[in-house]
Amino acid sequence: QKEVEQNSGPLSVPEGAIASLNCTYSDRGSQSFFWYRQYSGKSPELIMFIYSNGDKEDGRFTAQLNKASQYVSLLIRDSQPSDSATYLCAVNLWTGNQFYFGTGTSLTVIP
Amino acid sequence: DVKVTQSSRYLVKRTGEKVFLECVQDMDHENMFWYRQDPGLGLRLIYFSYDVKMKEKGDIPEGYSVSREKKERFSLILESASTNQTSMYLCASNGGVKTQYFGPGTRLLVL
Repeated sequence: QKEVEQNSGPLSVPEGAIASLNCTYSDRGSQSFFWYRQYSGKSPELIMFIYSNGDKEDGRFTAQLNKASQYVSLLIRDSQPSDSATYLCAVNLWTGNQFYFGTGTSLTVIP
Repeated sequence: DVKVTQSSRYLVKRTGEKVFLECVQDMDHENMFWYRQDPGLGLRLIYFSYDVKMKEKGDIPEGYSVSREKKERFSLILESASTNQTSMYLCASNGGVKTQYFGPGTRLLVL
């Protein structure tokens, strides 16, 4: 069973809409949750992280964590064509130093 | 500003060659990681290190070795390159806050 699962997409949204990306994880020992954005041919760059249940907002991005249901989501408000990329979800456990990555969701924002 | 650098952006090697990929971070991070990324397979952990001269196998260590002689430097070695090691190689590091930062990646082609 995969540690972290994401819908591979592709997900397409019109410019200005809200993009919703979802991620589920299997290990209840997961402590920290991260969203990375990866443009084609580039390395992942950190968008935001969340540790506690609830919402965390940073500009147009909101991360939502629900530990009871074992999912974490990323909302992108007012989506822009420059948001078109693959979004990777990652989790880190209470014990150990390893990060577990999903395979990513491809997002296209249509002008 | 966080910085992880990798020695090469692109490499072309021949089957059987010994290949060295170097990664340097300037954030005094304890933990460093090597991943490879292939289409449809996501990020797969090859090796990681949580201290100088310490190393741990990840999910796919076969055909690879690593070296960490100094805290800031983590090297990945392909003892005898094979065509199935053609991939994007990503180095990452993290410290106490457990946010992982990636280098720009090395795209390796083995002919």
